[in-house]
Amino acid sequence: SQKIEQNSEALNIQEGKTATLTCNYTNYSPAYLQWYRQDPGRGPVFLLLIRENEKEKRKERLKVTFDTTLKQSLFHITASQPADSATYLCALRGGFKTIFGAGTRLFVKA
Amino acid sequence: GAGVSQSPSNKVTEKGKDVELRCDPISGHTALYWYRQSLGQGLEFLIYFQGNSAPDKSGLPSDRFSAERTGGSVSTLTIQRTQQEDSAVYLCASSSLGGGLAGVTETQYFGPGTRLLVL
Repeated sequence: SQKIEQNSEALNIQEGKTATLTCNYTNYSPAYLQWYRQDPGRGPVFLLLIRENEKEKRKERLKVTFDTTLKQSLFHITASQPADSATYLCALRGGFKTIFGAGTRLFVKA
Repeated sequence: GAGVSQSPSNKVTEKGKDVELRCDPISGHTALYWYRQSLGQGLEFLIYFQGNSAPDKSGLPSDRFSAERTGGSVSTLTIQRTQQEDSAVYLCASSSLGGGLAGVTETQYFGPGTRLLVL
């Protein structure tokens, strides 16, 4: 069956360190993959998109990798700050709709 | 202009009552999506509109759920005879594209959601 999986356990890191979140998928061949941020009580907000023919994408302190052989995307936040604390969702195109992972909660401690 | 708006922001209802949730998408966005998010869970796809038609209703959990979109803009999600398991956050998103067009990417813009509690 088709699945998109993110680590359900919260990730706790110290301010200034790099946070790395993982998204794995099975039985999909997505043309692209996206990462969204969701704060409590809010809807998700788009952060980055990476296409299947791209290995890496960067935006300020954010970096996304996409390995279509491993069927995995990694999301990195460098020099993390307490304001980066949120839930991060990965999403991919499955047929005619976007499928979202359950998200990983990130806590950055000052 | 403004982003996606949803109303009400919170709704408490009694089991068995009907509820209507409203979504105002970004002006000009042709695609509109409804999702449901239960506590600690991912986004569960409910229905997708392209213009006023719904090519994909596959996520609606039962025939108690229905949705419509008029004028290619506002959408209403209706839940009839609500049950306690319907309690969740209902999120609406819109985009300027949709339908899985080859080679085209789509970014969805979400509203703040309606928190529904069925007692």
